[in-house]
Amino acid sequence: GQQLNQSPQSMFIQEGEDVSMNCTSSSIFNTWLWYKQEPGEGPVLLIALYKAGELTSNGRLTAQFGITRKDSFLNISASIPSDVGIYFCAGQNSNSGYALNFGKGTSLLVTP
Amino acid sequence: DAGITQSPRHKVTETGTPVTLRCHQTENHRYMYWYRQDPGHGLRLIHYSYGVKDTDKGEVSDGYSVSRSKTEDFLLTLESATSSQTSVYFCAISDSLNTGELFFGEGSRLTVL
Repeated sequence: GQQLNQSPQSMFIQEGEDVSMNCTSSSIFNTWLWYKQEPGEGPVLLIALYKAGELTSNGRLTAQFGITRKDSFLNISASIPSDVGIYFCAGQNSNSGYALNFGKGTSLLVTP
Repeated sequence: DAGITQSPRHKVTETGTPVTLRCHQTENHRYMYWYRQDPGHGLRLIHYSYGVKDTDKGEVSDGYSVSRSKTEDFLLTLESATSSQTSVYFCAISDSLNTGELFFGEGSRLTVL
C-alpha cells in the first residue's frame, strides 16, 4: 500500500487544550478521511474531504485537504475527556483500486 | 449505528487449525471489506468484495481467503492459522467504492497459539 505518515504518534493533553495532528504521503490522494477509534470498538468516520484545499468542520473538529493533495490535518478545539481515542487518517485514490490507505494513528489522552 | 455484526468476537486457536470469521450486515451495502489491525501497522486491507461472488485481494491477502454467497454475509477464512495471524480483524461496509466512507464492525480478536 501507499504509505501515510501520521504525527504525532501520541498526545497527552489537558482538558480544554486544542489539538493538532497531521498526515503526509508521497502519493497524491483524491480523498482524505479522518476516523476515530475508541477502545474495543471499530473506527468511526469523523470527516471526509474530497477537494484539494477543502476545509471542513464537524463540531469542534476541523480538517483540511492539503493543496498538494499529499497531506491533511485535523484540529480539535477545546478538548474534552471523551475525545480520548486513536485518530486515523486515510487516503484514497484510483491507483490502488480505491482501497483506503490508513496511517498508523495518533493516540490522544485527555486529562480532566 | 450501521448494522454490522462480527462473529466470533473473540477466539483462541492453535497453529494449523482452520478459522472462519463471519461478517453480517443488515444495510444492504454492496461493498464489504476485511481489515486487520496490528500495533505499529494501523489498519491493512486483506480482501474486499464488490458484490455477491465478486472479491479481490488487498494489501495483505496471503494466507486468507474470502467468500460472499449472499449480499449480507462476508466470510474470512484462515485455512491453516499461524501465529503471525494473531490480530484484531475488522469488517467494514460501504455503499460506494470511491468515497472512502466505511462503516466498521466492532472487531474480532483472534489469538493463534
